[in-house]
Amino acid sequence: DIQMTQSPSSVSASVGDKVTITCRASQSISSYLNWYQQKPGKVPKLLIYIASSLQSGVPSRFSGSGSGTDFSLTISSLQREDFATYYCQQTYNTPKTFGQGTKVEIK
Amino acid sequence: QVQLVQSGAEVKKPGASVRVSCKASGYTFTSYEINWVRQATGQGLEWMGWMNPNSGDTGYIQKFQGRLTMTRSTSISTAYMELSSLRSEDTAVYYCVRVGLYGDAADYWGQGTLVTVSS
Repeated sequence: DIQMTQSPSSVSASVGDKVTITCRASQSISSYLNWYQQKPGKVPKLLIYIASSLQSGVPSRFSGSGSGTDFSLTISSLQREDFATYYCQQTYNTPKTFGQGTKVEIK
Repeated sequence: QVQLVQSGAEVKKPGASVRVSCKASGYTFTSYEINWVRQATGQGLEWMGWMNPNSGDTGYIQKFQGRLTMTRSTSISTAYMELSSLRSEDTAVYYCVRVGLYGDAADYWGQGTLVTVSS
């Protein structure tokens, strides 16, 4: 199975900050990497697919990059509604494993 | 609009089975793969397996082999997830998700079904 490792596990930031979360795969996954946002008590929401494609309706302050084994999700200017937990997921092969999550908290 | 509506919360005793349903609407049910994902309280997301609603083909992760069954009824656009021999560690919210056409991302999620396993 492909292991997905996110870092950091949590980050404290202020409104307006630029935040970057990384995700590393245990083997190459080409660009088959997706990012999800989950707010407390809510259903996860797709933000980015195929490493860098923005899902319809997602604000442009979210961006994704990377290929192979190293990927990142960047929030260019953190807004209050962005405080949540973010998960990466590889869909290169099954099982389609998730990272352990990164919690973005208010500083 | 695309919707996945899941059945309600369940409380089961250890050793019992649970079946969760997921009714799809707003798209052609047989054209998109369905996956199931679970999340224990305060924990991360765990991908459980996949089903092709057109063929009925399925695949499950190793830890669930023999306990997990995914089925569907195409006539009512509904997917089902049955987990047997329940243990306390199966207590979680279970989500059905639609796999989109690009990158196999989970583009639509059901609202989740809480399954509690307790004696």
